[in-house]
Amino acid sequence: QQQVKQSPQSLIVQKGGISIINCAYENTAFDYFPWYQQFPGKGPALLIAIRPDVSEKKEGRFTISFNKSAKQFSLHIMDSQPGDSATYFCAASPSGNQFYFGTGTSLTVIP
Amino acid sequence: DAGITQSPRHKVTETGTPVTLRCHQTENHRYMYWYRQDPGHGLRLIHYSYGVKDTDKGEVSDGYSVSRSKTEDFLLTLESATSSQTSVYFCAISRASGRARETQYFGPGTRLLVL
Repeated sequence: QQQVKQSPQSLIVQKGGISIINCAYENTAFDYFPWYQQFPGKGPALLIAIRPDVSEKKEGRFTISFNKSAKQFSLHIMDSQPGDSATYFCAASPSGNQFYFGTGTSLTVIP
Repeated sequence: DAGITQSPRHKVTETGTPVTLRCHQTENHRYMYWYRQDPGHGLRLIHYSYGVKDTDKGEVSDGYSVSRSKTEDFLLTLESATSSQTSVYFCAISRASGRARETQYFGPGTRLLVL
């Protein structure tokens, strides 16, 4: 059973547009929600993370929105660039040892 | 990549043979993890270690064992490989202190094909 549900599976966005990826969870013990970016042939790399005590976190063009009551969080990529084309994974952790990942979203940014 | 190497990077083996994958780090991080990545499943935690000789099971540990005799090395063993263990395996590390341990750094991965 997938602990973290991620959508969409794939996403195509025009250069300069906004990319939005959504994730949902059920386990209220989760208290850390990272997003990872993965390029083909590479390992995932931490992009940005949030804790449930804030509703939004922004780092450059990347923003996480967090809705604790709905148990949902999303990644927004503003001014999407072709170099952002990659697979994105959301994840959740209850303690820092166990991590549960979403199934991934393949993002393609068209020039 | 944050001082993490995995070996081998690619391996083809036959069903029923034992396989050992190695993760080596030069960061002196306390926590080490083994994940498998499969289409439609994302990454799933197999085992992790919180210190030398200290390990625990993850979400999909059946058919896998691990060992950590030194801080820098974390071995993943498939005792008798099956086709369902065909996957890409990633090692990850994180620091021990407080919330810093929740930043995981991933290695380059090992592609394993079990025929």
